[in-house]
Amino acid sequence: DADVTQTPRNRITKTGKRIMLECSQTKGHDRMYWYRQDPGLGLRLIYYSFDVKDINKGEISDGYSVSRQAQAKFSLSLESAIPNQTALYFCATSDRGGDTGELFFGEGSRLTVL
Amino acid sequence: GQNIDQPTEMTATEGAIVQINCTYQTSGFNGLFWYQQHAGEAPTFLSYNVLDGLEEKGRFSSFLSRSKGYSYLLLKELQMKDSASYLCAVMDSNYQLIWGAGTKLIIKP
Repeated sequence: DADVTQTPRNRITKTGKRIMLECSQTKGHDRMYWYRQDPGLGLRLIYYSFDVKDINKGEISDGYSVSRQAQAKFSLSLESAIPNQTALYFCATSDRGGDTGELFFGEGSRLTVL
Repeated sequence: GQNIDQPTEMTATEGAIVQINCTYQTSGFNGLFWYQQHAGEAPTFLSYNVLDGLEEKGRFSSFLSRSKGYSYLLLKELQMKDSASYLCAVMDSNYQLIWGAGTKLIIKP
């Protein structure tokens, strides 16, 4: 089983719908992240959380919200999806932010907004 | 602004050596990462450099020159399974990762 699990893996939805992407991890890491990946662009950070009570906006947080329900769970919501939110979304965890800060990624959630 | 540049695509032959370059301009520097990403899969960590010089790990090596804002990933004895995208990322002064768009490496027999 994967250490970082994302659900759903694929979702097609319509403009204006609310969508939630869920992420759970068994690595025991405090830090969790949501990224989106678009063709020809680098990974872009949406939100990150360093512990259950800590939520921070990333580079492209507009149109998104997050919830850190527990150390192991971090969900991403699109309140009213729009077509330019069509992308591959990755959840990631890390043990620490300084030093090496290696990221461990989930398998990705491919979202299509029609 | 902050910027990471790497070639979009490279082609190499099985058994050969390939060098993937990465240049960066960031607000501060707290380390450079290389990740491998196979098509449709998650990125996986390859290497981390924070000091100048070469770090070797099996068939893969990574080099850093902080004064030049430059790194490369060297892959030796290429195998077909090395066909993937290679992502360069720099940790800036706020410990945020800035990512390049990735280099797609195509290995031919």
